[in-house]
Amino acid sequence: GEDVEQSLFLSVREGDSSVINCTYTDSSSTYLYWYKQEPGAGLQLLTYIFSNMDMKQDQRLTVLLNKKDKHLSLRIADTQTGDSAIYFCAEVSGYSTLTFGKGTMLLVSP
Amino acid sequence: DTAVSQTPKYLVTQMGNDKSIKCEQNLGHDTMYWYKQDSKKFLKIMFSYNNKELIINETVPNRFSPKSPDKAHLNLHINSLELGDSAVYFCASSQAGGREQYFGPGTRLTVT
Repeated sequence: GEDVEQSLFLSVREGDSSVINCTYTDSSSTYLYWYKQEPGAGLQLLTYIFSNMDMKQDQRLTVLLNKKDKHLSLRIADTQTGDSAIYFCAEVSGYSTLTFGKGTMLLVSP
Repeated sequence: DTAVSQTPKYLVTQMGNDKSIKCEQNLGHDTMYWYKQDSKKFLKIMFSYNNKELIINETVPNRFSPKSPDKAHLNLHINSLELGDSAVYFCASSQAGGREQYFGPGTRLTVT
């Protein structure tokens, strides 16, 4: 079955870059996603990447995909305190349902 | 305008009661979902509906019954609530086979 793994916690200083990593097992995944969840809030779709791409950049966000190693990463440049949240990696499986990792809590200190 | 909305935002009830959570989307999507997020923040798909028809029903107790009166609504009814049902329930929607799935704000259910 599908499985998505993430490290649970990352702490950075404001202005630094953050890199959140994710591994997945389903080689047939067509899209891979990053969602952000702020405390007490819902899930916000940050970005996604098609499986035949290696990289996608969207303003401060850079997604890197290594399909051979089934490794996905999210880089946030110039991390701000407002970026503090839980970040979920997800892959789409049959019938378009999402399989999520357990989330990485990003803490940005001033 | 809210794209995916859920009511109520908070629901506190006693064991054994029956409760419903409502979800509506105004995005014109034809696929809707229910996810459950447990106390450790783990998110798991419960149900998926496409054009009012059940597509996915993961291993969920049959006390949970989704109902889709039309493409824009997917409600979740829960019978005989148990302590273990306490969680945050998220509704989501997308186009069929769509790459972008949008989530509602969640309903925090607490069973006492």
